Amino acid sequence: NAGVTQTPKFRVLKTGQSMTLLCAQDMNHEYMYWYRQDPGMGLRLIHYSVGEGTTAKGEVPDGYNVSRLKKQNFLLGLESAAPSQTSVYFCASSADRYQPQHFGDGTRLSIL
Amino acid sequence: DQQVKQNSPSLSVQEGRISILNCDYTNSMFDYFLWYKKYPAEGPTFLISISSIKDKNEDGRFTVFLNKSAKHLSLHIVPSQPGDSAVYFCAAPRSNDYKLSFGAGTTVTVRA
Repeated sequence: NAGVTQTPKFRVLKTGQSMTLLCAQDMNHEYMYWYRQDPGMGLRLIHYSVGEGTTAKGEVPDGYNVSRLKKQNFLLGLESAAPSQTSVYFCASSADRYQPQHFGDGTRLSIL
Repeated sequence: DQQVKQNSPSLSVQEGRISILNCDYTNSMFDYFLWYKKYPAEGPTFLISISSIKDKNEDGRFTVFLNKSAKHLSLHIVPSQPGDSAVYFCAAPRSNDYKLSFGAGTTVTVRA
C-alpha cells in the first residue's frame, strides 16, 4: 500500500526555470493538498483540491499553479522558479477535512 | 496570522521520563485538533487527535489534553522512548474552509 507518493524527491533548478511536482494517492481520497515547509514556519498550505477537477488557493499560492485532472493525482507547477521557492514540498490527502491527512515523504527543491 | 502556536522549538528529555509538548491557538472556532509526528526526510504522520467536546484523549503512551477556556492543548508522552525523537506539529482544521493550520513544530530529543 503506497499511500501518497511524490516525485521527484530532489530537484535543483535555476532561477526562471519551470517544473511540475507530481503527487499520487491510492486511497481514493477526495481531498488533496500541497504544502511547503520552511524552517521555523511549520507547514503552509499552497493550494488544495476538494475533488477531481477542482482547485483552490491556500495561504501562499503566488508563483504556483495546480491541476487535478484525475482523482488520484494532484500536480504542482512552478511557472518561473525563484530562490524564495527553495523549500521542502509536501503533498497530502484525506477522505474529508476532519479525517487526518496522509502525507508523502516530500520533495526537496533548491532554486539557484 | 498564525492561529496555532508552538512556542517551544525544542525539548530534551531523558528516556523513561515524561515529554510534555504545548500548543496554543487563537481561533475559538477550532473544534478539532490533531498532532502529527515527523522524522527527518519523511512526511508527517498522524499521531493523535481530540475533539473540542472532550478534554482528554489517550492512545497508549500518548495523551492529549485540551483546555478550551485557555485555548491550550498539550501532548504527553509517557514514558519517552528514543524512537520518539522527532518533530511534533499540532494542527487544527478551520471550521469555515478546508485549511489545516499548523504550528511551527517542536523538536523532541530523547536522551538514553
